[in-house]
Amino acid sequence: AQTVTQSQPEMSVQEAETVTLSCTYDTSENNYYLFWYKQPPSRQMILVIRQEAYKQQNATENRFSVNFQKAAKSFSLKISDSQLGDTAMYFCAFAGGFKTIFGAGTRLFVKA
Amino acid sequence: AAGVIQSPRHLIKEKRETATLKCYPIPRHDTVYWYQQGPGQDPQFLISFYEKMQSDKGSIPDRFSAQQFSDYHSELNMSSLELGDSALYFCASSPGTDAKNIQYFGAGTRLSVL
Repeated sequence: AQTVTQSQPEMSVQEAETVTLSCTYDTSENNYYLFWYKQPPSRQMILVIRQEAYKQQNATENRFSVNFQKAAKSFSLKISDSQLGDTAMYFCAFAGGFKTIFGAGTRLFVKA
Repeated sequence: AAGVIQSPRHLIKEKRETATLKCYPIPRHDTVYWYQQGPGQDPQFLISFYEKMQSDKGSIPDRFSAQQFSDYHSELNMSSLELGDSALYFCASSPGTDAKNIQYFGAGTRLSVL
């Protein structure tokens, strides 16, 4: 069975600074996908970035980038130039087949 | 652009009652997923459908059932409601079965069981 672990329940960062959220996962599959979702106070689930396991190149989406280490089963999210609107719950997710498994989430506070 | 529509947005029920949650996927999306997110918890996968057939099953209680209809919308039926069923229920859709297809989430239905 797949598992996703986010070891940081809460983090805070100063506006305009950089923060990294950690995520590790466990799977025996070779073909899968990893995602970071953002859930603001509205509780809408918003896709931030995705990574395909067979791609070695780390995904980047504007201020968001990942550090994907397949052998270590690690998938961290880096947010550069943090903005107040980045304050939210961030979920790391593993997708294989029809289901997506979410981590417990990291609550990020961006301070002015 | 059209998004995933869930109805109702809020639902209040008494214990032992039944509830039906509806999900209308993005047009041309043939796969629907249901998730349950309790207070302060991560979303838990319940069940998914592809082309009107159940494709995968997660931690869905036996009191719950779901189906996908010919127009690809899906309904989650919940019977003998318990206090612990109070949660945010998300529906997501994707345009295929491959996991690389991003799941687009609806705004959720907030169910409160009193």
